[in-house]
Amino acid sequence: AAGVIQSPRHLIKEKRETATLKCYPIPRHDTVYWYQQGPGQDPQFLISFYEKMQSDKGSIPDRFSAQQFSDYHSELNMSSLELGDSALYFCASSIPTASTYEQYFGPGTRLTVT
Amino acid sequence: AQSVAQPEDQVNVAEGNPLTVKCTYSVSGNPYLFWYVQYPNRGLQFLLKYITGDNLVKGSYGFEAEFNKSQTSFHLKKPSALVSDSALYFCAVRDPNNDMRFGAGTRLTVKP
Repeated sequence: AAGVIQSPRHLIKEKRETATLKCYPIPRHDTVYWYQQGPGQDPQFLISFYEKMQSDKGSIPDRFSAQQFSDYHSELNMSSLELGDSALYFCASSIPTASTYEQYFGPGTRLTVT
Repeated sequence: AQSVAQPEDQVNVAEGNPLTVKCTYSVSGNPYLFWYVQYPNRGLQFLLKYITGDNLVKGSYGFEAEFNKSQTSFHLKKPSALVSDSALYFCAVRDPNNDMRFGAGTRLTVKP
């Protein structure tokens, strides 16, 4: 079965650079969630989208932005990168049908800021 | 590889009754285990975690989980369920790279 796809899987950037992470949800899933997991930390919810509209916002820094496109894939844009942005970023997708809200997680993108 | 399994897609309980959401784990070394809850169209919320110490871990909203090494389980429990507990519950394990690996989730429905 198709799973959530994230690209790239690994990314190395320097401070003050920008990065774009992509998430391709499972086909027919219209909701995408982004999470940030720092080294040794628990995942922190960043932001979510439903039908291309922002549906919930967590602890996403102002330097980050995200959007969901017409094909339901989502991109997380990160500017003015800081060392503390080094983390695993993973997304999850779901489809809020009447009875289920299963959330499926992607493998993550590991961002290293040097 | 570290992994967790949630054998039940759905759990239904009546309000006021005790609830259990099951999770089994497969790890090498000491397990770092977690429970998260997700309400519709919301991000994950942390409930509790087991690192070391007492096998019974108490968390948010009256939930607790029991770590059982012999059965490799980490079941989530609550003595008296509320309708507002209805949500999707995820068990997770932290692997040696500190990456989280989530179970498939269990939908809990508490009926009045």
